[in-house]
Amino acid sequence: EVQLVESGGGLVKPGGSLRLSCAASGFNYNDAFMSWVRQAPGKGLEWVGRIKTTVSGGATDYAAPVKGRFTISRHDSKNTLYLQMNGLKTEDTALYYCAWVGRTGFMYKWGQGAPVTVSS
Amino acid sequence: QSVLTQPPSASGTPGQRVTISCSGSSSNIGSNTVDWYQELPGTAPKLLIYSNDQRPSGVPDRLSGSKSGTSASLAISGLQSEDESDYYCAAWDDSLNGYVFGTGTKVTVL
Repeated sequence: EVQLVESGGGLVKPGGSLRLSCAASGFNYNDAFMSWVRQAPGKGLEWVGRIKTTVSGGATDYAAPVKGRFTISRHDSKNTLYLQMNGLKTEDTALYYCAWVGRTGFMYKWGQGAPVTVSS
Repeated sequence: QSVLTQPPSASGTPGQRVTISCSGSSSNIGSNTVDWYQELPGTAPKLLIYSNDQRPSGVPDRLSGSKSGTSASLAISGLQSEDESDYYCAAWDDSLNGYVFGTGTKVTVL
């Protein structure tokens, strides 16, 4: 069974940093592109970014609102995905999901989400 | 501000057919495939349709997707109470070099 379990969410002050983790199991993580998607309270889904496989160079792409502040990385031997968030703003408050990306870019499987609140 | 536009709401009675539209542009729907997601209250989103019209295992065939030009649609036939949910379209956008979601549609079963 595919499982994606996010952790590391919490309350942080504006300007602060937080690192989310996503533990993956039940599929060949090394061969998977992975993404982060967020949902602010009462709002729709927003793609945050993605990381390709290590053999593909591990290249990353980011949405404009987070580019330069957020970094996605992966640790293949630990089957874990990370989202390092720096320079957090109140508008980054959201539930953050990690997702296994399918071959044409769709979000095939999702975790349950990690809540992040940015507030003073 | 999403680049994919959906109607905010749609509704129908049990057994009816409901269609949700998704309007984009040449840089997203016009040149890439469309995916659809369901988000039930308090749960993680679930993939319903990928690559315009493909259903993952376990998704009933009363759900179908289609695409034409820069628009796409999701049809739910034989509407059931458990279909009451939020639905999002999505596609890769070549200009933004990112994956974009639609504005979302809330489906109500009357």
